[in-house]
Amino acid sequence: AQSVTQLDSHVSVSEGTPVLLRCNYSSSYSPSLFWYVQHPNKGLQLLLKYTSAATLVKGINGFEAEFKKSETSFHLTKPSAHMSDAAEYFCVVSEPADKLIFGTGTRLQVFP
Amino acid sequence: DTGVSQNPRHKITKRGQNVTFRCDPISEHNRLYWYRQTLGQGPEFLTYFQNEAQLEKSRLLSDRFSAERPKGSFSTLEIQRTEQGDSAMYLCASSLEGGHTEAFFGQGTRLTVV
Repeated sequence: AQSVTQLDSHVSVSEGTPVLLRCNYSSSYSPSLFWYVQHPNKGLQLLLKYTSAATLVKGINGFEAEFKKSETSFHLTKPSAHMSDAAEYFCVVSEPADKLIFGTGTRLQVFP
Repeated sequence: DTGVSQNPRHKITKRGQNVTFRCDPISEHNRLYWYRQTLGQGPEFLTYFQNEAQLEKSRLLSDRFSAERPKGSFSTLEIQRTEQGDSAMYLCASSLEGGHTEAFFGQGTRLTVV
C-alpha cells in the first residue's frame, strides 16, 4: 500500500533564507508524487508534480523538489523564503490510476 | 470553466440531521474524489468515482456516508444522522483519467454539527 510521511509538522525560517520541507514515501509501483499548498481559508493548490520524467521538478513560486528513488524521498526546497510562503504544505503520493494519499502536512512559518 | 465548485460553502446542522453536499467538477474530468479534512490534519480519502462508477470507498467511512455521481458529472455526498465527530471540511477534487494527472480541488464545504 502507498503511504507518505512528512517528517516535520512545523518549520520556521527567516525571510530570505532557504526552505526545506521533508517527505518520504512508500509505494509498490512507480508512483506519482505531488506537493500541494494550502493558505489559510483557501483551497489546495498544486505546487509541482513528479511523474517519472526528470527527477528534479520545478514548480510555481520558485519551489522545486527532487525525486530520489534510493532514499524514497521527495523533499521540497526553495532558495529564499518570502513572507507569502507561510502556509500548510502537503506531500502527496499516488500509484498509477489510483487515489491521492496525503501526508499530515508541514506548517511553514516565515519570520521577517 | 472556473474550476471545481462546491456547495454550500458552510453548513451548520444539529446532531442527528441529514446533510447533503454537492460538487461540480471541471467539465472534462472523469475522475471525482471526496476527502475530509479536520483541523491540523491532511485530507483523508473518503471515496472516488470514475465517471458514474464508484471505484473505492474508504474502510473508515461509516454506513451513514453515501456518495453518488449519477450521470458522471456532478456528485453528492450525504451524511445521515450526523454526529459531532462529522464536523470537518469536506473537499471535492477532479482529475482526468490516468495515473499521473494532478487533482484540482474545490474550496470545500465546512460542516459544523452542534
